[in-house]
Amino acid sequence: DTEVTQTPKHLVMGMTNKKSLKCEQHMGHRAMYWYKQKAKKPPELMFVYSYEKLSINESVPSRFSPECPNSSLLNLHLHALQPEDSALYLCASRPRTSGGADTGELFFGEGSRLTVL
Amino acid sequence: AQSVTQLDSQVPVFEEAPVELRCNYSSSVSVYLFWYVQYPNQGLQLLLKYLSGSTLVKGINGFEAEFNKSQTSFHLRKPSVHISDTAEYFCAVSSSGGYQKVTFGTGTKLQVIP
Repeated sequence: DTEVTQTPKHLVMGMTNKKSLKCEQHMGHRAMYWYKQKAKKPPELMFVYSYEKLSINESVPSRFSPECPNSSLLNLHLHALQPEDSALYLCASRPRTSGGADTGELFFGEGSRLTVL
Repeated sequence: AQSVTQLDSQVPVFEEAPVELRCNYSSSVSVYLFWYVQYPNQGLQLLLKYLSGSTLVKGINGFEAEFNKSQTSFHLRKPSVHISDTAEYFCAVSSSGGYQKVTFGTGTKLQVIP
C-alpha cells in the first residue's frame, strides 16, 4: 500500500462550524505533514509530526489544530475559520528511519478542498 | 535557511519538442533536491530526486534532471513532451541537516501545445 488517503475530498463550512480533515497512511512512515495550497501557489508548510510528536509548527493560527492519534493517522481540526482559509489542504508522509536513511521524499494525498463561507 | 527559485512561471512548448524547466536553490548545507508534478485538482507526485552520487538523475515519464553544485541548479529536462505532460511542476529542497522541512519553489506551469 503506497497511498496517502485524505478525507473528505471536498468540504464547505461556515465560519462558526467545527470540522476535521483526516489523513491516513499504512506505509509505516513516521513523519506526517500538513500543507496548505492556494490556487496557482506552491504548498505552504503548516505542521510536521515526527514519531507522533509535533516537531514543526509554522506559526499557524490556533483556529487550525493538528492531532496525530497514532503513527498512521493525522487529523486537522478546524474551528472559526475565515474565508481566506479556503484552499487545498494536502497531507504528506515521509519515511523516517534510524541511521539517517531518510530519502526525503514526500508521499502526498490528493488533498481536501476546503471552502469557507 | 534554504530556498528555491523557479524563474519561469509558465513555459509553453509544442508537442514533441524538448523542454527545460529551471530551478536554482540556496542552502548553507548539503541538500536533497526534488521535482514534483501536480495535475489539476490532485496532490503532488514525485518525478525524481537527487540525494548524492551521479549528478544526472532520471525519473518517471521520461524526465531527467542535472544537479550542478557550482551553479546551485537542478534543471528538469525532457527531450520530447506529450500533451499529457501539461501540469504544474515544483522544484523542492530539503537540507540534509534539518531534513524535516521541505521547501517548494513557486512552480512552473508547463503548457504543451498540440
